[in-house]
Amino acid sequence: DTEVTQTPKHLVMGMTNKKSLKCEQHMGHRAMYWYKQKAKKPPELMFVYSYEKLSINESVPSRFSPECPNSSLLNLHLHALQPEDSALYLCASSPKGSYEQYFGPGTRLTVT
Amino acid sequence: AQKITQTQPGMFVQEKEAVTLDCTYDTSDPSYGLFWYKQPSSGEMIFLIYQGSYDQQNATEGRYSLNFQKARKSANLVISASQLGDSAMYFCAMREWRGSYIPTFGRGTSLIVHP
Repeated sequence: DTEVTQTPKHLVMGMTNKKSLKCEQHMGHRAMYWYKQKAKKPPELMFVYSYEKLSINESVPSRFSPECPNSSLLNLHLHALQPEDSALYLCASSPKGSYEQYFGPGTRLTVT
Repeated sequence: AQKITQTQPGMFVQEKEAVTLDCTYDTSDPSYGLFWYKQPSSGEMIFLIYQGSYDQQNATEGRYSLNFQKARKSANLVISASQLGDSAMYFCAMREWRGSYIPTFGRGTSLIVHP
């Protein structure tokens, strides 16, 4: 299994909703990442987990809450989002010490 | 601080022709690595090619080659024999070690391949 999967593919949520994005990989990678990408822009790093511990938080608002329950799974919990949070959310993973990142297909989030 | 510059917001190429996408970088690290990613409209970032700063030869992967000119700090992507499926956003990136390798992305170049 050489892929990163993300669910759901699309998500529409209201500003008062609570939802979660899920990312999974079974390649034994110990680093996992969340990125936010607006249209026609490069991905922006949000969080990095290394060995299931949060190692980087790029000053992301607390309405985004990451979780890494085990080495294969990465969640992003969403609460009280704003319309400007609408974007493509990409998950990636990489092997220990490797420069190469494997990206998932992303979740397209729309906040209404 | 590292910086990646892609000056071409959009490029057009005829099918079967070659195209060069420009990328310049700035870093004070003697050891660094440069990547190119392709992002089709479906959204997935696809790794294309990697060049290390100490690599003696330019990287090649099938129809993709990286024209690495260290003195000029450029790492241009060359796509030979363009195909319609090459139409996508292309991002140049540089790796930065922050406990894990984190890519710093350029703004991207939109490539459209005409039949």
